[in-house]
Amino acid sequence: DAKTTQPNSMESNEEEPVHLPCNHSTISGTDYIHWYRQLPSQGPEYVIHGLTSNVNNRMASLAIAEDRKSSTLILHRATLRDAAVYYCILSPRVGGTSYGKLTFGQGTILTVHP
Amino acid sequence: ETGVTQSPTHLIKTRGQQVTLRCSSQSGHNTVSWYQQALGQGPQFIFQYYREEENGRGNFPPRFSGLQFPNYSSELNVNALELDDSALYLCATHLSRTEAFFGQGTRLTVV
Repeated sequence: DAKTTQPNSMESNEEEPVHLPCNHSTISGTDYIHWYRQLPSQGPEYVIHGLTSNVNNRMASLAIAEDRKSSTLILHRATLRDAAVYYCILSPRVGGTSYGKLTFGQGTILTVHP
Repeated sequence: ETGVTQSPTHLIKTRGQQVTLRCSSQSGHNTVSWYQQALGQGPQFIFQYYREEENGRGNFPPRFSGLQFPNYSSELNVNALELDDSALYLCATHLSRTEAFFGQGTRLTVV
């Protein structure tokens, strides 16, 4: 499985934008880039995913580098409820039905200050 | 609210015992995966079931086994419990390869 690298921790102030980086230099052309987050005492929660183009949804934006070797999750205005562990994950786009296998790394612990 | 319910929420077992954890999913999510999350670590993939058959497995011994039922609910069974099996066990369901829905997990403590 292709590996991702994320900073161990980041801090932000409430109401400010947050940019969470992820490096995935060994990404293959058929890998989706997924972001999940895990709030304290909860299961992981889907945030966003993308393949080549930048993506926006109600929770966040995903900016993907042109060479796809890195991506950035953007929270436009951090709130206290965004404090969580954020995981950047690659999963294959093609190949059967075994897409349930998500390979989680250590993730980035995001602390949001009031 | 993900529509994925796991039971029980907490469980304490003795080393050597067997345990069954349960997961019920939203209708139509025909793929279910199980993960083990040790304290301070990211979740680790145990296995996946698709249409009642195992079709993917992580690096876990055979004493970890599962079932998926026609209504897409699922069980994770662990035999001969070891102290290192103490963890949060997560169930996730999928309708496609783009989004997984996780339950709140079952916290298993082996003493």
